[in-house]
Amino acid sequence: DAMVIQNPRYQVTQFGKPVTLSCSQTLNHNVMYWYQQKSSQAPKLLFHYYDKDFNNEADTPDNFQSRRPNTSFCFLDIRSPGLGDAAMYLCATSRDSGPGGLFFGSGTQLSVL
Amino acid sequence: KQEVTQIPAALSVPEGENLVLNCSFTDSAIYNLQWFRQDPGKGLTSLLLIQSSQREQTSGRLNASLDKSSGRSTLYIAASQPGDSATYLCAVWDSNYQLIWGAGTKLIIKP
Repeated sequence: DAMVIQNPRYQVTQFGKPVTLSCSQTLNHNVMYWYQQKSSQAPKLLFHYYDKDFNNEADTPDNFQSRRPNTSFCFLDIRSPGLGDAAMYLCATSRDSGPGGLFFGSGTQLSVL
Repeated sequence: KQEVTQIPAALSVPEGENLVLNCSFTDSAIYNLQWFRQDPGKGLTSLLLIQSSQREQTSGRLNASLDKSSGRSTLYIAASQPGDSATYLCAVWDSNYQLIWGAGTKLIIKP
């Protein structure tokens, strides 16, 4: 089945230690998104790639970076995680701008010690 | 500015009941509306997608309706089961291709 896959499912890092989360997709969608979700809140868009074009949300901290080496893979890099960055990180894909629907992976739960 | 509201924030019903979850939006100029389900500590699962030209979509025991003129969507769940317990979120694609989220309704189905 075509899907969006996130690894790892759980990630524990230390305060200030860089961490990378990964996402892959077999849907062949050209748009990939990274969302941050904290407990009992709606997902918050960090950035997205439309093909190779990177689009950063205005309020996304510089501490968060992303790479998309090819259509199938996308990475979220947190350069110096703080305690406030502990959250669920969700990867999603869509075809074009999204009105065809958004498809999510199972998420990576990040803990910062 | 588009705003999406889901009321109630939480709902608890006995198993077997039919129920309706509500989603309202302030600007009728939308491309589509999507309902998601989220289990605790998990990602989001897409349930139903309604295009702006459609009035409803059905999948199994789920039926989602859309009334753009009144800015409302409902998710109807028939014959609820304990496995339906989850948080249900709706989101709309607005005229600027931005996805605007509701805060979700936490549903508990009591056996």
